[in-house]
Amino acid sequence: DSGVTQTPKHLITATGQRVTLRCSPRSGDLSVYWYQQSLDQGLQFLIQYYNGEERAKGNILERFSAQQFPDLHSELNLSSLELGDSALYFCASSVEGQDTQYFGPGTRLTVL
Amino acid sequence: AQSVAQPEDQVNVAEGNPLTVKCTYSVSGNPYLFWYVQYPNRGLQFLLKYITGDNLVKGSYGFEAEFNKSQTSFHLKKPSALVSDSALYFCAVREYNFNKFYFGSGTKLNVKP
Repeated sequence: DSGVTQTPKHLITATGQRVTLRCSPRSGDLSVYWYQQSLDQGLQFLIQYYNGEERAKGNILERFSAQQFPDLHSELNLSSLELGDSALYFCASSVEGQDTQYFGPGTRLTVL
Repeated sequence: AQSVAQPEDQVNVAEGNPLTVKCTYSVSGNPYLFWYVQYPNRGLQFLLKYITGDNLVKGSYGFEAEFNKSQTSFHLKKPSALVSDSALYFCAVREYNFNKFYFGSGTKLNVKP
């Protein structure tokens, strides 16, 4: 158990809908990272937050957004969902931006 | 552009034999290099990292990796494979002073009894 929690574990929704994925980092970790893992794209870095502020941005679509709250938990919002958004979404945390990342168990999103 | 390549989709090895999972990288500055392992239906688990110093890095579960700057490689190794090592292995790189991480496509390691 890495200490990073993600909810929900599974999410099934329809195209065009909006969902919110939640991540709680390890105690003391200020950085949160979001990744998308799909069969054809592999593991893609989406975005990083550090202590509430956006630190780095990767291959994140404009339909996706994220934020980190004062208690350091983070949410990833996915809107106008498409079939191709079906994937595993992982959250990871680290003490600071340069350190080892610890991954949560992931949220499996299925868009029908 | 920064990138990571894992040239083998799958590596098969017999239990007790040494294993190597290959990784090459491309960054414009000094790299931070990582290996992670993913078991089915689980998140990624950290194995080891290279930041600076000795080119041979030792990590969890008996794994080690060798940083080779001239070949821009960071191959994962283990002297004696276990069936329980069977999993998906990811190499990752972060460029010094930047916070974006790049992961390889993953290599499936199959260790047969």
